[in-house]
This record gives sequence, structure tokens and C-alpha cells, in this order.
Amino acid sequence: NAGVTQTPKFQVLKTGQSMTLQCAQDMNHNSMYWYRQDPGMGLRLIYYSASEGTTDKGEVPNGYNVSRLNKREFSLRLESAAPSQTSVYFCASRVGIGEAYNEQFFGPGTRLTVL
Amino acid sequence: GDSVTQMEGPVTLSEEAFLTINCTYTATGYPSLFWYVQYPGEGLQLLLKATKADDKGSNKGFEATYRKETTSFHLEKGSVQVSDSAVYFCALSGNSGGSNYKLTFGKGTLLTVNP
Repeated sequence: NAGVTQTPKFQVLKTGQSMTLQCAQDMNHNSMYWYRQDPGMGLRLIYYSASEGTTDKGEVPNGYNVSRLNKREFSLRLESAAPSQTSVYFCASRVGIGEAYNEQFFGPGTRLTVL
Repeated sequence: GDSVTQMEGPVTLSEEAFLTINCTYTATGYPSLFWYVQYPGEGLQLLLKATKADDKGSNKGFEATYRKETTSFHLEKGSVQVSDSAVYFCALSGNSGGSNYKLTFGKGTLLTVNP
């Protein structure tokens, strides 16, 4: 049981390049999330997927797109990377969206630098 | 909207010292409250949680009590170890419609424990 896995672990991009961050979970969770972590800012929600087939914007969605490929996988795409997107990106999953008492489980993160 | 305020760090303690990290929140209804820990270079892990007023969450010697009257969820440990050095995040998940899909995080508190 690997939990939440993310690839790649590190990535360096040039301004304007595109890339996709991959996330998968093997816990049969319904809900999945993408966050970014910046110094002094805590974690901010980019997008989330309440269930397979649905996606919604979080607090900071500009410059990103997501795809819920199936119940296990939730990818984050940067179409044209900008230096402001330099950050650590975390994927998370949760049993279901209605159960506020259930915690989210986090992946190890992807450290992205945009030059 | 929902918000979490936690004491700013960094916090530096000697081994076996007493730890308190303050956390207060603003939310409608009865949110669930969480403490997450992030060790260097890793993702977030759930440390403990409480889902209703007066509940006490505990794990690995850490404790926090859900105080609705003071809207607080302070983290405490009686005797810290070097291995407790990490960033600690307080978070809430709302129970009212529209906010129960996400976690709202504080900005994090860096704890360093010296031998």
C-alpha cells in the first residue's frame, strides 16, 4: 500500500515550457487535491476533485489545469510555466468530500523551479 | 470564510522542554480540527485530530484539545525530542455546506529542538 505517490520529485523548467505533474493513490479514495506550498504562506489549494469525473477550482487556480483521469489518478498541468509558479506541489486524497472529520493523506511533493 | 491563525515561529527549544504551539480558528458551525507535521524534505502527515468540542486528540506524546469557547486547538508536548524538529500546521475542515470539501491551513510553525 503506497498511499499517495507523485512524479517527478524534482523538476526545473524554463519560462514558457509546459509540464504535467502526476499523482496517484491506491486507497480507493473519492476526493483528490492539489496544493502549492510557498514559504510563509502555508498550503494553498489549487484544484480539487470531489469524485471521479468532477474537478473544481480552489484558491489559486490561475495558470493551472487538472485532469481526473480515473479514480486513482489526478494530474496537474502547467501550460506555460512562469517563475511565480516556482513552488513545492503536494497532491492529497481523502475518503470523501462530505466527511469533514476524515483527514487528507499527502504525497511526498514535487519541487518545481521555473527559471 | 474559514481561517486559521497559528503562532509564528521559528520556535527553538532544548531537548525535554515543554512545547506549546498556539492555534485559533474562525469558522461557521462545528469544524473538524487537525494538526499536521512536515519533516524536512517530506510531505505532510496527520499528527492528531479532534472532530467535536472538548475532544482531545493525542499521538506520539502530543496533545491538543478542541476548545469551542475560545476557538482554539493548541498543540502541546511535555518533553520534546530532537526528532520532533519539523514544521507543524494547524488546519480545519468546515462542516457547513460549501466548506466541507477542503482543509484550511495555518501558515506553519517551524520547531527546532537542540540536544
